[in-house]
Amino acid sequence: DAGITQSPRHKVTETGTPVTLRCHQTENHRYMYWYRQDPGHGLRLIHYSYGVKDTDKGEVSDGYSVSRSKTEDFLLTLESATSSQTSVYFCAISKGTGSTKNTEAFFGQGTRLTVV
Amino acid sequence: QQPVQSPQAVILREGEDAVINCSSSKALYSVHWYRQKHGEAPVFLMILLKGGEQKGHEKISASFNEKKQQSSLYLTASQLSYSGTYFCGTESSNYGQNFVFGPGTRLSVLP
Repeated sequence: DAGITQSPRHKVTETGTPVTLRCHQTENHRYMYWYRQDPGHGLRLIHYSYGVKDTDKGEVSDGYSVSRSKTEDFLLTLESATSSQTSVYFCAISKGTGSTKNTEAFFGQGTRLTVV
Repeated sequence: QQPVQSPQAVILREGEDAVINCSSSKALYSVHWYRQKHGEAPVFLMILLKGGEQKGHEKISASFNEKKQQSSLYLTASQLSYSGTYFCGTESSNYGQNFVFGPGTRLSVLP
């Protein structure tokens, strides 16, 4: 199994508070992703990173920010949590050797976030 | 922009075959297939690249029609363990690896 850990695994927070989710990998993979999963929508890409300090927005990035200061860590921050951000959040990593190879993604176990 | 998957759900008896389709409005460089069991993380099954290169799972196959921006996943002689939600993930270029997933197809295999 790929070495990918998400923390926390469960969190309940109040509307308006900032929340940070952490994704940690031990594989030294270049690409890291944050997705949210909601019934009927599947996995929707929030942000992704293709290297240290290199990030880009996904399809549902509003209200979220990310940072990657080290290869192994990719942080997702909800700047001011809202009830619509209640979801299961998955981190994924991919080797993706530059522009040549397209490789599989490995997913973390997910973080269940509830905003009340 | 999310790819479209069909059907949304399918129920099979053990030993029956199923086909799950994925289509995109954008030109595709690659299509990935993943399976997710309830309460678990998605797991890689298959990747299909533009130009025909394919990596796969031993009892599941897939096709990729680049011109139509479509892919199909074929599950033959289904087993109980095939139950889960199947997602296609697409990428429109070989840079950036911006994976976008479809909404999923729920497959239930009954004894």
